[in-house]
Amino acid sequence: DAMVIQNPRYQVTQFGKPVTLSCSQTLNHNVMYWYQQKSSQAPKLLFHYYDKDFNNEADTPDNFQSRRPNTSFCFLDIRSPGLGDAAMYLCATRPVGGQGVTGANVLTFGAGSRLTVL
Amino acid sequence: AQSVSQHNHHVILSEAASLELGCNYSYGGTVNLFWYVQYPGQHLQLLLKYFSGDPLVKGIKGFEAEFIKSKFSFNLRKPSVQWSDTAEYFCAVVNTGFQKLVFGTGTRLLVSP
Repeated sequence: DAMVIQNPRYQVTQFGKPVTLSCSQTLNHNVMYWYQQKSSQAPKLLFHYYDKDFNNEADTPDNFQSRRPNTSFCFLDIRSPGLGDAAMYLCATRPVGGQGVTGANVLTFGAGSRLTVL
Repeated sequence: AQSVSQHNHHVILSEAASLELGCNYSYGGTVNLFWYVQYPGQHLQLLLKYFSGDPLVKGIKGFEAEFIKSKFSFNLRKPSVQWSDTAEYFCAVVNTGFQKLVFGTGTRLLVSP
């Protein structure tokens, strides 16, 4: 089935040790998002790609970077994880188009990558 | 900036009770509205959405939501909950210029058998 796949599902890292989380999609969606979800909080948008155009949220720390080498893949790099970066990281995609487009404006989420920082 | 408020953070119900979860948004323009559900250990799934037309929308698993433009609200309802409805429910909104989906803080629903 077409879907959004995130790897790894669980990542444990040490304070300050770089981490890369990956997201792949078989939906051929133009837009890909990275959200951070901390316990008992709403998902918070970090950044998104509209095709290759990168859009960073104003309050996303510089510690968080992203790469999108092609339509199917997107990576989240955390350069120096701190204890406060422990969270679930969610990748989502959506197609581009007006409301007449099937699935337009509806995000499809991956299962998430849970990051633990020791 | 658009924002979403969910008034109930935790709700506990017995099976067969009726459910209504509140959601209000702040954006004044044309919006698309969503409810997502997250079952324990699972990813976010779309429950239902409103784009235009009939303000009463029906989703999966017997859920429905009503868009009341004058109240900036999009409350979620279910006449009779089941134990399997135990989950966290997120209301979300985008403006129709759509670049990003903004979530509410979520409501954790516990249904006791």
